[in-house]
Parts: sequence; structure tokens; C-alpha cells
Amino acid sequence: DGGITQSPKYLFRKEGQNVTLSCEQNLNHDAMYWYRQDPGQGLRLIYYSQIVNDFQKGDIAEGYSVSREKKESFPLTVTSAQKNPTAFYLCASSIDLQGYEQYFGPGTRLTVT
Amino acid sequence: DQQVKQNSPSLSVQEGRISILNCDYTNSMFDYFLWYKKYPAEGPTFLISISSIKDKNEDGRFTVFLNKSAKHLSLHIVPSQPGDSAVYFCAAIGRGSARQLTFGSGTQLTVLP
Repeated sequence: DGGITQSPKYLFRKEGQNVTLSCEQNLNHDAMYWYRQDPGQGLRLIYYSQIVNDFQKGDIAEGYSVSREKKESFPLTVTSAQKNPTAFYLCASSIDLQGYEQYFGPGTRLTVT
Repeated sequence: DQQVKQNSPSLSVQEGRISILNCDYTNSMFDYFLWYKKYPAEGPTFLISISSIKDKNEDGRFTVFLNKSAKHLSLHIVPSQPGDSAVYFCAAIGRGSARQLTFGSGTQLTVLP
């Protein structure tokens, strides 16, 4: 049963702490993406990766970092430099960067107080 | 500058009637368009797509229309069902090496029984 998993579903952190969000896929997709959704807004691209050990900044990369050491995994770290980290974070994957359809995980709701 | 716009944040429709969700775009480099459906606290799921070489694509109750000269697309759901109640995102992808999805802000569809 292929898909994308994100954990945890809800995450709470104190301001000033770094936090890492997990994303794993078993779809054998090359490309992976991280998006952020805020109330009343569409999804905004944070980072994307088309292959292991390679990743590119999206539209709102400041305050975030990623790694892609394995094809299946694309963790996102929300650093203390991110000014408004409270949001709903979505991970997605596609066959490759030319693949039109992206498949999304269930998301992680991060609350920073 | 929003390149993909969904100007109606919400839409209410009676069960059995047609739902029409609209989307406008400004970037003429977009060549593929997708609609995603999203329930609260879940990731978006792909619904239907259309290439810029077509003006219509149909899949069961869902039809997407593309008017390239007006830079406008619409999603028709006929007949609407209560289970269709969700947020619908329009997304576009453009020509180029990094084919990132650009999302609209979404329209909340409520189908009333």
C-alpha cells in the first residue's frame, strides 16, 4: 500500500527551538516537496528535491532547512530563524520533476508558542 | 503577486445541483492545470487535470474547462453530493526545468443536503 507518511500529525514547540518534521514515501518517486499552508491561503513551496543529495529553495525557504540522504525520506527542519513557524506543513512527491501530479501526505500541524 | 487566483473563498450549492468553481491565472507560461480537493487536517488529493492543448477534460462527475484566451479555468461537479464538501485548490505548472506547482488560495465548497 504505497503512500506518503508524515509524522507527527500535531507538533508543539516553544519559540526558539528547532523542530524537524518527518516525511517518508514508498512510491519510488524521485521528486519530493515541502509546502506550507496558512489559513485562507494556498500552498506555498518551501523546498523541493529532484534527486538524492540535491534540493532547491522554493518561494519561502528562509528559516527552513532540508536534507535528502535517502530517496524515501525528505525531512524538514523549522529553525528558530523562521519568524512565523505556526502553520500546516505538507509533504508531497511526484515521479520526477516532469511529473505533473503531486501526491500529498496527511500533513503536520506545527504550533509554536 | 498571485499568479493563480481563486476569487471566491466559498460556495454553497444544493445537493444534486451543479457546482462551478473558478480559477484565473496570469502566467502565460503555465501549460498544465490541476484541481485538488482537501478535507480539514488532511493533505490535498488530486482530482482532475488538463493540459493547455485541450479545452475540456471529463472524469465522471467532474469536468474541467480551460479558456486560454481568458486565462481562466473552471471545475464543474454534476451532480453535487454532500461528500464533495471540501476546499478545492486550483494549481498550475509551467514550462521550465523546475516544474513547481503554483496554487490558488482555495474555494470552500459546501453541498447542502
